[in-house]
Amino acid sequence: GESVGLHLPTLSVQEGDNSIINCAYSNSASDYFIWYKQESGKGPQFIIDIRSNMDKRQGQRVTVLLNKTVKHLSLQIAATQPGDSAVYFCAEIVTYSSASKIIFGSGTRLSIRP
Amino acid sequence: DGGITQSPKYLFRKEGQNVTLSCEQNLNHDAMYWYRQDPGQGLRLIYYSQIVNDFQKGDIAEGYSVSREKKESFPLTVTSAQKNPTAFYLCASTQWTENTEAFFGQGTRLTVV
Repeated sequence: GESVGLHLPTLSVQEGDNSIINCAYSNSASDYFIWYKQESGKGPQFIIDIRSNMDKRQGQRVTVLLNKTVKHLSLQIAATQPGDSAVYFCAEIVTYSSASKIIFGSGTRLSIRP
Repeated sequence: DGGITQSPKYLFRKEGQNVTLSCEQNLNHDAMYWYRQDPGQGLRLIYYSQIVNDFQKGDIAEGYSVSREKKESFPLTVTSAQKNPTAFYLCASTQWTENTEAFFGQGTRLTVV
């Protein structure tokens, strides 16, 4: 079946260090992936996306890496700040003949140590 | 401002009653989605719609119903058949183009007492 999961449910990082959040997916037909950040009581916010024809994409302080061979996705956050504390989800877009589904992983909670 | 709006933010209902959650978007997006999130959990897909007057069941559609009579609106009804309706409900919309991004509403927290 389809599934998108995360290796680590929680991650504690020292402020100023880099954070790496990992994600595994199972649908080899997926061609698009998104990372979302969700703060408590709010809806998910788009962080960065990547298409399957790429293996790396950079944004402001964030980098997403895609390894299609092992079906692995990671989000790197540089110089982690207190405001980065949240739950991070990877999402996989699966396209069928008439529709596209957004399938989410279970999430990783990122906490920042001062 | 363009965006996606869910209302109300908090909703309380008695057990056995149907309740409808609102989701409206003015982004001119074709696709809309409903997700359920339980505490400390990820998002599970309830229903989704790619175009007006068409929708498909997601992974946990039992006990829920939707309609898509207008492009900008995708209401979700939580029926009495849903055994554990208390949860955080999130609506999303997107337009599947080259630079796609799914936008989420701020959610409705439903509590059934």
